[in-house]
Amino acid sequence: DSGVTQTPKHLITATGQRVTLRCSPRSGDLSVYWYQQSLDQGLQFLIQYYNGEERAKGNILERFSAQQFPDLHSELNLSSLELGDSALYFCASSVGGSYGYTFGSGTRLTVV
Amino acid sequence: KNEVEQSPQNLTAQEGEFITINCSYSVGISALHWLQQHPGGGIVSLFMLSSGKKKHGRLIATINIQEKHSSLHITASHPRDSAVYICAVLMDSNYQLIWGAGTKLIIKP
Repeated sequence: DSGVTQTPKHLITATGQRVTLRCSPRSGDLSVYWYQQSLDQGLQFLIQYYNGEERAKGNILERFSAQQFPDLHSELNLSSLELGDSALYFCASSVGGSYGYTFGSGTRLTVV
Repeated sequence: KNEVEQSPQNLTAQEGEFITINCSYSVGISALHWLQQHPGGGIVSLFMLSSGKKKHGRLIATINIQEKHSSLHITASHPRDSAVYICAVLMDSNYQLIWGAGTKLIIKP
Protein backbone atom coordinates (compact mmCIF):
# COMPACT_ATOMS: atom_id res chain seq x y z
CA ASP A 1 0.00 0.00 0.00
CA SER A 2 1.64 3.21 -1.21
CA GLY A 3 -0.55 5.44 0.94
CA VAL A 4 -2.39 6.85 -2.07
CA THR A 5 -5.82 5.30 -2.43
CA GLN A 6 -7.75 5.29 -5.68
CA THR A 7 -11.28 4.06 -6.12
CA PRO A 8 -12.72 2.28 -7.87
CA LYS A 9 -10.02 -0.05 -9.20
CA HIS A 10 -12.06 -1.01 -12.23
CA LEU A 11 -14.95 0.70 -13.96
CA ILE A 12 -16.91 -0.34 -17.01
CA THR A 13 -19.40 2.11 -18.42
CA ALA A 14 -21.15 2.99 -21.65
CA THR A 15 -20.42 5.79 -24.06
CA GLY A 16 -22.07 9.06 -23.17
CA GLN A 17 -22.03 8.33 -19.47
CA ARG A 18 -20.32 10.23 -16.66
CA VAL A 19 -18.04 8.75 -14.02
CA THR A 20 -16.17 10.02 -10.99
CA LEU A 21 -12.77 8.72 -9.97
CA ARG A 22 -11.58 9.33 -6.46
CA CYS A 23 -8.12 9.76 -4.99
CA SER A 24 -7.05 10.06 -1.37
CA PRO A 25 -3.48 11.34 -1.14
CA ARG A 26 -0.84 10.08 1.23
CA SER A 27 -1.15 11.61 4.67
CA GLY A 28 0.57 14.99 4.75
CA ASP A 29 0.75 15.42 0.98
CA LEU A 30 -0.83 18.61 -0.28
CA SER A 31 -0.45 18.10 -4.02
CA VAL A 32 -2.53 15.74 -6.10
CA TYR A 33 -1.81 14.95 -9.73
CA TRP A 34 -3.97 13.11 -12.23
CA TYR A 35 -2.53 11.18 -15.16
CA GLN A 36 -4.07 9.22 -18.01
CA GLN A 37 -2.35 6.25 -19.58
CA SER A 38 -4.00 4.85 -22.68
CA LEU A 39 -2.84 1.86 -24.70
CA ASP A 40 -1.08 3.82 -27.42
CA GLN A 41 0.31 6.64 -25.30
CA GLY A 42 2.50 7.02 -22.29
CA LEU A 43 1.48 8.77 -19.14
CA GLN A 44 -0.25 12.05 -19.92
CA PHE A 45 -0.47 14.71 -17.28
CA LEU A 46 -4.02 15.93 -16.82
CA ILE A 47 -4.16 18.31 -13.88
CA GLN A 48 -2.57 19.19 -10.55
CA TYR A 49 -4.09 20.54 -7.37
CA TYR A 50 -2.24 21.97 -4.41
CA ASN A 51 -4.03 22.43 -1.11
CA GLY A 52 -7.41 22.76 -2.79
CA GLU A 53 -6.41 25.02 -5.64
CA GLU A 54 -5.71 24.15 -9.24
CA ARG A 55 -1.97 24.53 -9.80
CA ALA A 56 -1.37 23.31 -13.33
CA LYS A 57 -3.28 21.95 -16.28
CA GLY A 58 -2.02 19.52 -18.85
CA ASN A 59 -3.77 17.70 -21.66
CA ILE A 60 -7.13 17.60 -19.98
CA LEU A 61 -10.21 17.56 -22.18
CA GLU A 62 -13.06 20.00 -21.58
CA ARG A 63 -15.29 16.99 -20.86
CA PHE A 64 -13.07 16.24 -17.87
CA SER A 65 -12.94 18.21 -14.66
CA ALA A 66 -11.40 17.76 -11.26
CA GLN A 67 -11.39 19.26 -7.82
CA GLN A 68 -9.59 18.88 -4.53
CA PHE A 69 -11.66 19.04 -1.38
CA PRO A 70 -10.77 20.58 2.02
CA ASP A 71 -9.77 17.14 3.32
CA LEU A 72 -7.35 17.02 0.34
CA HIS A 73 -8.96 14.10 -1.44
CA SER A 74 -9.54 14.71 -5.12
CA GLU A 75 -12.09 13.65 -7.68
CA LEU A 76 -11.73 13.44 -11.44
CA ASN A 77 -15.00 13.71 -13.30
CA LEU A 78 -15.22 12.34 -16.81
CA SER A 79 -18.37 13.11 -18.78
CA SER A 80 -19.80 12.33 -22.21
CA LEU A 81 -17.50 9.35 -22.26
CA GLU A 82 -16.11 8.11 -25.54
CA LEU A 83 -14.48 4.80 -26.42
CA GLY A 84 -11.13 6.58 -26.58
CA ASP A 85 -11.38 7.54 -22.93
CA SER A 86 -10.72 3.93 -21.99
CA ALA A 87 -7.45 4.07 -20.09
CA LEU A 88 -5.71 3.73 -16.79
CA TYR A 89 -6.13 6.83 -14.67
CA PHE A 90 -3.47 7.37 -12.05
CA CYS A 91 -3.42 9.71 -9.15
CA ALA A 92 -0.18 10.72 -7.46
CA SER A 93 0.49 12.86 -4.45
CA SER A 94 3.44 14.76 -3.12
CA VAL A 95 4.23 17.21 -0.38
CA GLY A 96 4.79 19.72 -3.14
CA GLY A 97 7.57 21.21 -5.23
CA SER A 98 10.49 18.93 -5.84
CA TYR A 99 9.61 16.28 -3.30
CA GLY A 100 8.97 12.70 -4.30
CA TYR A 101 5.75 11.42 -5.74
CA THR A 102 3.66 8.52 -4.53
CA PHE A 103 1.36 6.86 -7.02
CA GLY A 104 -1.94 5.19 -6.45
CA SER A 105 -2.66 1.84 -8.06
CA GLY A 106 -4.85 3.41 -10.70
CA THR A 107 -8.41 3.10 -11.94
CA ARG A 108 -8.91 1.09 -15.10
CA LEU A 109 -11.75 2.64 -17.05
CA THR A 110 -13.33 0.75 -19.89
CA VAL A 111 -15.88 2.53 -22.03
CA VAL A 112 -18.03 0.21 -24.11
CA LYS B 1 12.77 15.92 -30.34
CA ASN B 2 11.31 14.72 -27.07
CA GLU B 3 12.49 16.48 -23.96
CA VAL B 4 13.09 13.14 -22.24
CA GLU B 5 14.61 10.29 -24.21
CA GLN B 6 15.01 6.77 -22.89
CA SER B 7 17.04 3.96 -24.33
CA PRO B 8 16.64 1.22 -25.14
CA GLN B 9 12.91 1.05 -25.82
CA ASN B 10 12.93 -2.71 -25.33
CA LEU B 11 15.44 -4.90 -23.57
CA THR B 12 15.45 -8.67 -23.19
CA ALA B 13 18.14 -10.27 -21.06
CA GLN B 14 18.92 -13.50 -19.26
CA GLU B 15 18.54 -13.88 -15.53
CA GLY B 16 21.64 -12.70 -13.74
CA GLU B 17 22.72 -10.14 -16.31
CA PHE B 18 23.62 -6.58 -15.41
CA ILE B 19 21.03 -4.20 -16.84
CA THR B 20 21.46 -0.54 -17.77
CA ILE B 21 18.66 1.77 -18.86
CA ASN B 22 19.51 5.29 -19.93
CA CYS B 23 17.65 8.58 -19.75
CA SER B 24 18.67 11.86 -21.38
CA TYR B 25 16.83 15.12 -21.02
CA SER B 26 17.09 18.56 -22.55
CA VAL B 27 15.36 20.80 -20.02
CA GLY B 28 16.40 22.29 -16.72
CA ILE B 29 15.30 20.05 -13.91
CA SER B 30 15.08 20.07 -10.17
CA ALA B 31 14.86 16.30 -9.87
CA LEU B 32 14.63 13.09 -11.88
CA HIS B 33 12.46 10.11 -11.06
CA TRP B 34 12.77 6.48 -11.99
CA LEU B 35 9.52 4.56 -11.82
CA GLN B 36 8.57 0.96 -12.41
CA GLN B 37 5.29 -0.10 -13.96
CA HIS B 38 4.33 -3.76 -13.67
CA PRO B 39 2.28 -5.64 -16.26
CA GLY B 40 -0.81 -5.16 -14.11
CA GLY B 41 -0.37 -1.40 -14.46
CA GLY B 42 0.66 -0.40 -10.96
CA ILE B 43 3.37 2.26 -10.73
CA VAL B 44 6.05 2.27 -8.09
CA SER B 45 8.43 5.12 -7.52
CA LEU B 46 11.98 3.71 -7.37
CA PHE B 47 14.21 6.74 -6.99
CA MET B 48 14.16 10.48 -6.96
CA LEU B 49 17.55 12.02 -7.76
CA SER B 50 18.87 15.51 -7.93
CA SER B 51 22.56 14.61 -7.90
CA GLY B 52 24.99 11.73 -7.55
CA LYS B 53 23.91 8.19 -6.99
CA LYS B 54 21.34 6.23 -5.02
CA LYS B 55 21.17 2.52 -4.28
CA HIS B 56 18.32 0.36 -3.12
CA GLY B 57 18.90 -3.35 -3.04
CA ARG B 58 19.91 -4.47 -6.53
CA LEU B 59 18.92 -1.14 -8.07
CA ILE B 60 21.32 1.72 -8.60
CA ALA B 61 20.45 5.10 -10.10
CA THR B 62 22.95 7.74 -11.13
CA ILE B 63 22.58 11.22 -12.52
CA ASN B 64 25.01 13.59 -14.21
CA ILE B 65 23.47 17.04 -14.09
CA GLN B 66 26.09 18.60 -16.39
CA GLU B 67 25.54 15.98 -19.07
CA LYS B 68 21.77 15.84 -18.47
CA HIS B 69 21.86 12.10 -18.26
CA SER B 70 20.74 9.44 -15.81
CA SER B 71 21.11 5.69 -15.72
CA LEU B 72 19.24 2.97 -13.90
CA HIS B 73 21.19 -0.21 -13.26
CA ILE B 74 19.90 -3.57 -12.10
CA THR B 75 22.44 -6.04 -10.79
CA ALA B 76 21.85 -9.81 -10.78
CA SER B 77 18.62 -9.35 -12.73
CA HIS B 78 15.69 -11.65 -12.02
CA PRO B 79 12.49 -12.45 -13.95
CA ARG B 80 10.50 -10.51 -11.35
CA ASP B 81 12.36 -7.37 -12.53
CA SER B 82 10.41 -7.63 -15.79
CA ALA B 83 8.47 -4.39 -16.07
CA VAL B 84 8.42 -1.05 -17.84
CA TYR B 85 10.91 1.40 -16.37
CA ILE B 86 10.06 5.04 -16.79
CA CYS B 87 12.23 8.09 -16.39
CA ALA B 88 10.50 11.36 -15.55
CA VAL B 89 12.05 14.76 -14.96
CA LEU B 90 10.66 17.49 -12.76
CA MET B 91 11.10 20.77 -14.58
CA ASP B 92 12.66 23.48 -12.45
CA SER B 93 10.54 26.16 -14.14
CA ASN B 94 7.08 24.90 -13.24
CA TYR B 95 7.53 21.65 -11.31
CA GLN B 96 5.80 19.68 -14.06
CA LEU B 97 6.80 16.09 -14.68
CA ILE B 98 7.86 15.22 -18.20
CA TRP B 99 7.84 11.52 -18.91
CA GLY B 100 10.07 9.35 -21.00
CA ALA B 101 8.43 6.73 -23.20
CA GLY B 102 9.59 3.92 -20.95
CA THR B 103 11.84 0.91 -21.39
CA LYS B 104 10.18 -2.49 -21.50
CA LEU B 105 12.46 -4.96 -19.74
CA ILE B 106 12.02 -8.71 -19.97
CA ILE B 107 14.28 -10.97 -17.93
CA LYS B 108 14.23 -14.58 -19.05
CA PRO B 109 14.92 -17.39 -16.57
